[in-house]
Amino acid sequence: GAGVSQSPSNKVTEKGKDVELRCDPISGHTALYWYRQSLGQGLEFLIYFQGNSAPDKSGLPSDRFSAERTGGSVSTLTIQRTQQEDSAVYLCASSLGLAGASYEQYFGPGTRLTVT
Amino acid sequence: AQSVTQLGSHVSVSEGALVLLRCNYSSSVPPYLFWYVQYPNQGLQLLLKYTSAATLVKGINGFEAEFKKSETSFHLTKPSAHMSDAAEYFCAVSPSYSGAGSYQLTFGKGTKLSVIP
Repeated sequence: GAGVSQSPSNKVTEKGKDVELRCDPISGHTALYWYRQSLGQGLEFLIYFQGNSAPDKSGLPSDRFSAERTGGSVSTLTIQRTQQEDSAVYLCASSLGLAGASYEQYFGPGTRLTVT
Repeated sequence: AQSVTQLGSHVSVSEGALVLLRCNYSSSVPPYLFWYVQYPNQGLQLLLKYTSAATLVKGINGFEAEFKKSETSFHLTKPSAHMSDAAEYFCAVSPSYSGAGSYQLTFGKGTKLSVIP
């Protein structure tokens, strides 16, 4: 596709339910990133993938959060037993390679998660 | 460790006036620096980036930024504001080396720009 796509665009869920957020990166981009944007915390880095591997998961806020990437393409961020503090916009980005090599991160439109 | 400070969570300018959005960074190693813009209900769009080449960087939509190592600053400017520039602007930093820790952007809190007709 032309850009990074994310689905759903909006998700409302009840506290305690599990949710899955999907990201389709730009074709050919090997690196994929998840960020969270909330009013109180601003933009926070969650996790990145190089290919299908996520070498560092320390940005995930709790063990209720997990992510996977298959086929070096689509990624899913899963939040188990959602809490109200999980309400935020979840942004996905992709790049040709690692940001440290000066590759640009291209962002998707985000998924707005609301936990009631 | 890296951090970014954006002075002013909200800036208002008149249409046609100079836009100046401030960004200061803290980094133990020479960083790469970025400015992103976010329009309502949209993702982030890259305006420009500094990757240790020219210190004056020109971006899209008439924006530019100057890297000043002595001041640890990367302020964003535009000579003449347009109504369409109203948005939120984020400054971000990443390390300039490859390897562990180089993969993430650290963002400032953002500055919301309002343009008054």
